[in-house]
Amino acid sequence: SQTIHQWPATLVQPVGSPLSLECTVEGTSNPNLYWYRQAAGRGLQLLFYSVGIGQISSEVPQNLSASRPQDRQFILSSKKLLLSDSGFYLCAWSGDSFSGNTIYFGEGSWLTVV
Amino acid sequence: GDSVTQMEGPVTLSEEAFLTINCTYTATGYPSLFWYVQYPGEGLQLLLKATKADDKGSNKGFEATYRKETTSFHLEKGSVQVSDSAVYFCALSEGIYNQGGKLIFGQGTELSVKP
Repeated sequence: SQTIHQWPATLVQPVGSPLSLECTVEGTSNPNLYWYRQAAGRGLQLLFYSVGIGQISSEVPQNLSASRPQDRQFILSSKKLLLSDSGFYLCAWSGDSFSGNTIYFGEGSWLTVV
Repeated sequence: GDSVTQMEGPVTLSEEAFLTINCTYTATGYPSLFWYVQYPGEGLQLLLKATKADDKGSNKGFEATYRKETTSFHLEKGSVQVSDSAVYFCALSEGIYNQGGKLIFGQGTELSVKP
């Protein structure tokens, strides 16, 4: 069966420091991969999605970037964190559209920028 | 663009009460519709889904029917339990092949069930 893992689960970082959140998927090949953010008290916002290695689409302009160095690895990064980057970050994966577009989420990473 | 609107929370119910969480959508195509649940401090779990008009998704006593005529996908449960306390998200998938089926979420509805 397919599984998705992301880490670290919790992170407290000072303003201006770098960020790296990592996500891996097992049990499937060529998944679509996503990074979502959930700010406190709000819904989910799609940040990035990827349909293949090295293919990244950004949904909103921001202080963050994403990379997909391997088929089942998705990384969220920042060179200099802002206070507004605090939130709950969720990695997710799906099969292609022929498999019904269901998206499955990881456990999430809590980021607090201080 | 496509969007999802959910009823605002929080919703507070007594155990064994009937639950309805309203969800309506706007979409240009024929999206798939989903309900996800988020328990405190956790990620999102798929609760149920429907991929075409008049389909009914069901899981763990929850049900939702894809109503194209009213563009709705309301979540219902006949008798809620304390363990159902969570935030519920309605979502649609654009289902465009080239875009990988991105999800658009509603704002979420917090449900609190009291014993």
